[in-house]
Amino acid sequence: GENVEQHPSTLSVQEGDSAVIKCTYSDSASNYFPWYKQELGKRPQLIIDIRSNVGEKKDQRIAVTLNKTAKHFSLHITETQPEDSAVYFCAASKQSAGGTSYGKLTFGQGTILTVHP
Amino acid sequence: GAVVSQHPSWVICKSGTSVKIECRSLDFQATTMFWYRQFPKQSLMLMATSNEGSKATYEQGVEKDKFLINHASLTLSTLTVTSAHPEDSSFYICSSRQYSNQPQHFGDGTRLSIL
Repeated sequence: GENVEQHPSTLSVQEGDSAVIKCTYSDSASNYFPWYKQELGKRPQLIIDIRSNVGEKKDQRIAVTLNKTAKHFSLHITETQPEDSAVYFCAASKQSAGGTSYGKLTFGQGTILTVHP
Repeated sequence: GAVVSQHPSWVICKSGTSVKIECRSLDFQATTMFWYRQFPKQSLMLMATSNEGSKATYEQGVEKDKFLINHASLTLSTLTVTSAHPEDSSFYICSSRQYSNQPQHFGDGTRLSIL
């Protein structure tokens, strides 16, 4: 099955700095890669996702890059703010455009991001 | 607003009792719902995949007779932890998805504590 490795496990930055979290996956058939932000005791919230037909996607201060050849993808947060502090999870799955795929998510181990004011 | 409603949010009960957790998809008919377990400071581990009208598919190592899943309608799935023991204490989270090419939306989770 799929295996997703996430690094680093903890990341501490100063407000305004950039933060980068990296994930690698093992199954070359995986084609959907979401990132979730989870605050303590709360639900994971989707912050950005990317499909294998694109190499980069950006949404304001958040961007994700994908290297299919190397089987790794990264989350980039620019101009970090204290409210960005949370646990971030990457995930990978196989999805089909036809809507018949199983599509279960395999999560990375998580990264605790702390943004110091 | 919440796309997925999960209830209860917190349960404390004695060892040996059974606990039922509900997961409701509020904004769309969820053909598939997923159940995860998350231990403190760890990642989400998929327990089972629930498709409406059919038996759930359990991940390796998850006891189907202990974690009963029912997905009787397109908006409701339930997870029943039978004869719960302290080692079952965890954060249980459901998610729902309308189509396989769409993101999963998570519920708020249920914190289960078995004394």
